[in-house]
Amino acid sequence: DIQMTQSPSSLSASVGDRVTITCRASQSISNYLNWYQQKPGKAPKLLIYTASSLQSGVPSRFSGSGSGTDFTLTISSLQPEDSATYFCQQTYSIPYTFGQGTNLEIK
Amino acid sequence: EVQLVESGGGLVQPGGSLRLSCAASGFTFSRYWMHWVRQAPGKGLVWVSRIKSDGTYIRYADSVKGRFTISRDNAKNTLYLQMNSLRAEDTAVYYCARDEDLGGYSNFDYWGQGTLVTVSS
Repeated sequence: DIQMTQSPSSLSASVGDRVTITCRASQSISNYLNWYQQKPGKAPKLLIYTASSLQSGVPSRFSGSGSGTDFTLTISSLQPEDSATYFCQQTYSIPYTFGQGTNLEIK
Repeated sequence: EVQLVESGGGLVQPGGSLRLSCAASGFTFSRYWMHWVRQAPGKGLVWVSRIKSDGTYIRYADSVKGRFTISRDNAKNTLYLQMNSLRAEDTAVYYCARDEDLGGYSNFDYWGQGTLVTVSS
C-alpha cells in the first residue's frame, strides 16, 4: 500500500497568513493526488484534484502543486472559514490511501 | 443538485451484520463509479471499497475483505454496503462518495453526510 504522510499534523495561523501543508507519498504517484477539507461533523469536500486543479466553486486562494512523491496545498490568504482539517489522498493505486490529516486553527 | 444520502447505520453487537444504503439523486447514477469511505471517531479517512458504474471492478480494503460486500442497484439509484462479522474496530462514520473519474484520474467530488456504525456489546 502507498503511505501518505502529511506535515504538519496541526498548525495555527492568523487571518491573512499564507499557509502551506505538505503531503509525501511513499512511492511515486505522478499527479494522482487530491486534497480535501473537512469541518467538524461534516463530510469531506474536494478542494484540489490531480495535484493542481481547482475544484469548481472552491476559492482561488487555494492552490496545489507537486508531482511524483511531494505535494503541497497552499492557502494564499487565510480566512476564518478555512479552519478545518485537510487531507491528501492518492488515487494512483488501490487502496486509495489518505494522509493522516492536518488540523488548521485560526489564531 | 447532486445528493447522496446514507442510511442503515446503528448499534450492532460484535459478530453482527448491517446493511448500509446510499441513495443518489441529481445525477445519472449508472454512469459513475462509487466508493465507501469510513472515519473512526476522531480519526482520519480510510477508503473501504469501490464499485464500477456497471457493478463490476469491485475492490476492498484488506481490513474488510471477506466480510463486507459492496453492490449497487442502478434502477433504484442506490449503493449498498453489506457488513458481516462486524468488529469493534469497524466502528466509524461511513460515507459514500461519487468518483468523478476524469480520464482515469479518480477524485471523490460528492460525499454523503455519513451514517454512524457502532459495534459494541
